[in-house]
Amino acid sequence: KAGVTQTPRYLIKTRGQQVTLSCSPISGHRSVSWYQQTPGQGLQFLFEYFSETQRNKGNFPGRFSGRQFSNSRSEMNVSTLELGDSALYLCASSPTGGVYNEQFFGPGTRLTVL
Amino acid sequence: AQSVTQPDIHITVSEGASLELRCNYSYGATPYLFWYVQSPGQGLQLLLKYFSGDTLVQGIKGFEAEFKRSQSSFNLRKPSVHWSDAAEYFCAVGANYGGSQGNLIFGKGTKLSVKP
Repeated sequence: KAGVTQTPRYLIKTRGQQVTLSCSPISGHRSVSWYQQTPGQGLQFLFEYFSETQRNKGNFPGRFSGRQFSNSRSEMNVSTLELGDSALYLCASSPTGGVYNEQFFGPGTRLTVL
Repeated sequence: AQSVTQPDIHITVSEGASLELRCNYSYGATPYLFWYVQSPGQGLQLLLKYFSGDTLVQGIKGFEAEFKRSQSSFNLRKPSVHWSDAAEYFCAVGANYGGSQGNLIFGKGTKLSVKP
């Protein structure tokens, strides 16, 4: 089985722009979660999607949004980028989601905001 | 609020030596605890998890962890470290919101370096 794939792997944007990141989960997995990883704050949960519905959300501003398609692929969007949004964004998939199931992580998208 | 503390930011051990990475958590109910490893340029890989039962949990790559409720700890151990174990290790607690599906709260990580 192919693992979780994330595109693009690297991205450079300027302040005020918006960005869309993509995540393709493992085949058959219906849950996709997104995490932000920074040196200062560590790994922080953004949101989880299951069957095209946002099921859980972390403590991030409304500039961070996401969606999930019928094939379980997910996108994350960040609008009006700030310098502090520079981070590694990780996507994780699992069969049914939640904390009871192992989450399989992708390699991440490294976003740099200039 | 739930939280996870990994007191050691960076640890260096010699190859073949034993290893213990510390993790303390704060959580009101029975915790669901995890250890993940992240190699450079890679995503996170689950090493082991604890939900209930035996407090000594075996994981992949020869790692084990022990849950101690009285100390709110879930320390990761390995009897003999290999150079390939050099990576960053994250402890996490599963935050379960009243029966609904929850999410993971991670510690800040411990970077492990291995001396030849």
